[in-house]
Amino acid sequence: EPEVTQTPSHQVTQMGQEVILRCVPISNHLYFYWYRQILGQKVEFLVSFYNNEISEKSEIFDDQFSVERPDGSNFTLKIRSTKLEDSAMYFCASSWTHSSTDTQYFGPGTRLTVL
Amino acid sequence: QKEVEQNSGPLSVPEGAIASLNCTYSDRGSQSFFWYRQYSGKSPELIMFIYSNGDKEDGRFTAQLNKASQYVSLLIRDSQPSDSATYLCAVNGPNTGNQFYFGTGTSLTVIP
Repeated sequence: EPEVTQTPSHQVTQMGQEVILRCVPISNHLYFYWYRQILGQKVEFLVSFYNNEISEKSEIFDDQFSVERPDGSNFTLKIRSTKLEDSAMYFCASSWTHSSTDTQYFGPGTRLTVL
Repeated sequence: QKEVEQNSGPLSVPEGAIASLNCTYSDRGSQSFFWYRQYSGKSPELIMFIYSNGDKEDGRFTAQLNKASQYVSLLIRDSQPSDSATYLCAVNGPNTGNQFYFGTGTSLTVIP
């Protein structure tokens, strides 16, 4: 069964460093998402992406964040200058359509630890 | 602010019993409702979705939706220890764009 994959599974970085989290969405899906979950808190939407453009972003997704689809398979989230509060699980998700009734399938997540 | 509320639990039920998980949402325009299961340290895994008022059954799981009351629930029949996890309610709709709003989740423990 097709699934979303993410690498790395765990990333440790120093505050102020740049990190890139990678995702390979399900192959025939067209819409891609990043969510984060701080330990013990709810899953929060960061950004959605379609046709090489951001279609929606939340207040969390400030200028420190960027997304890119560098090739036909990868979807990346870059955090330019990490802060302690960026420590969280970051989930990539994908869906076939933009419809509000379409299911989003989540990857296994990348645990980001900022020291 | 669109809110999705869940009782955080923990909810404990004996093996074989029915577990009932509840979720309320604030945006009356919400159209789609999803239940995800999340094991500790893992990603959300889709259990089922519901769009229309009433009940929807899938195996041991039944989702119930009441849009007038802005309430959605998940029933798990014949609960198994492997059902022990956190259950996340997610809401989407025309007023939310394509982002899901999640509740904080209800922790379920099924006691053998």
